[in-house]
This record gives sequence, structure tokens and C-alpha cells, in this order.
Amino acid sequence: GQQLNQSPQSMFIQEGEDVSMNCTSSSIFNTWLWYKQDPGEGPVLLIALYKAGELTSNGRLTAQFGITRKDSFLNISASIPSDVGIYFCAGRFIQGAQKLVFGQGTRLTINP
Amino acid sequence: NAGVMQNPRHLVRRRGQEARLRCSPMKGHSHVYWYRQLPEEGLKFMVYLQKENIIDESGMPKERFSAEFPKEGPSILRIQQVVRGDSAAYFCASSRDGDQPQHFGDGTRLSIL
Repeated sequence: GQQLNQSPQSMFIQEGEDVSMNCTSSSIFNTWLWYKQDPGEGPVLLIALYKAGELTSNGRLTAQFGITRKDSFLNISASIPSDVGIYFCAGRFIQGAQKLVFGQGTRLTINP
Repeated sequence: NAGVMQNPRHLVRRRGQEARLRCSPMKGHSHVYWYRQLPEEGLKFMVYLQKENIIDESGMPKERFSAEFPKEGPSILRIQQVVRGDSAAYFCASSRDGDQPQHFGDGTRLSIL
């Protein structure tokens, strides 16, 4: 099946640092979504991207839909303790196919 | 703020029993999706339903698994004759239509003894 390669798998940073993670695919995606998942809970939507080149912000979070439509990145600025969790990219890779393909996740740990 | 509601949150079954997982979509959403998540992995698509219709079941195992979304009531994911390998977290998501973002419930954690 279609694969999304998400990196890094884990990050250990100091509070206040900026964070960057990305997803790449060998296939073209029509939609990119970024979710955050806390232990014992479901993924929570952070940002949705629909057009190649689109750059969207949500507070301290910024995400971009790559020009080639095969990649996306998520940046978090000035990290705070509540940013701890697992971040997933997800995408729709075929026009009209509604299922989401998920990356393997980036586990973010913050040292106070 | 009625989000996607899943129940039960935790379900324990013995091998060979049946598991029934329920999902009520967000208000105004008529599209439902089921995903499975193993520890330390991303979510894997199972099935996509609209009211009374299965639209895409390409991620469903061919045997023992079935899903429905009746005209009235929640969507049900049913696993018959469960085996140890069925242990996972099962998440339901809903959307207003097929192009809108999917919003997830908090999942049902299924454990098989």
C-alpha cells in the first residue's frame, strides 16, 4: 500500500526551542493533514492543507503543502510543555479516495 | 461540544468471542471511517461508510470483520471469533462530507485474552 515516510521518529528538545518535522511520499497527495495524539486519546486535527504550495498557520504551528505534492512539513515555534505528544501526518493520495494514509508519527519530548 | 463518541473505551474479550465497537459521529456529519492502530504505529484505514452504504472497505480483513452505519443509530464495527492479533486501538472518525477533514474519537482499546 501507499506509504508516508515521517521523520524524525522522535525528538528531545528544550522548552522554548523550535521544532520541525516532515513527511514524504513517492505518490502525489491531494490533501495533507497534521494531527497530534496524546496518550489514551484520539488524534486531534491541527492543520489541513489542500493546495500545492499552501502555507497555513495555527498559533505557533505552521505547515506547508510541498510544491511537488509529495511532501509536507510542520513547524512548532517556541515549544511549551503541552506540546509533548505524538504528531502524525496524514494524506489523501488519490482524487476521490477519502481514506487517509498516516505516517509513523514523530514523538516529541520536551525538557523543561 | 459533542465530538465523535466511541464506546466502550476499553473492551476485553476472550479468543473466539465477538467484539462490537460503536461510533456516533459528530452532529451534522454523515461520513464515518474506521481505523486501527497498533502500539507505536500510525493509524491504518479499514472502512469508509455513509448512511446505509459501505463506500470503501479496502482496508478490512476479508474474514471476521464487518461494519455498518444504519439509517438510525451509531456505526458498528463487528469482529467475530476474535484472535490475539485483533488486540489494538480502533478509532472512528467522521466528516461532513468526503472532502472535509476527518475528526477522530478517543478510540476503543480492544484486548484479547
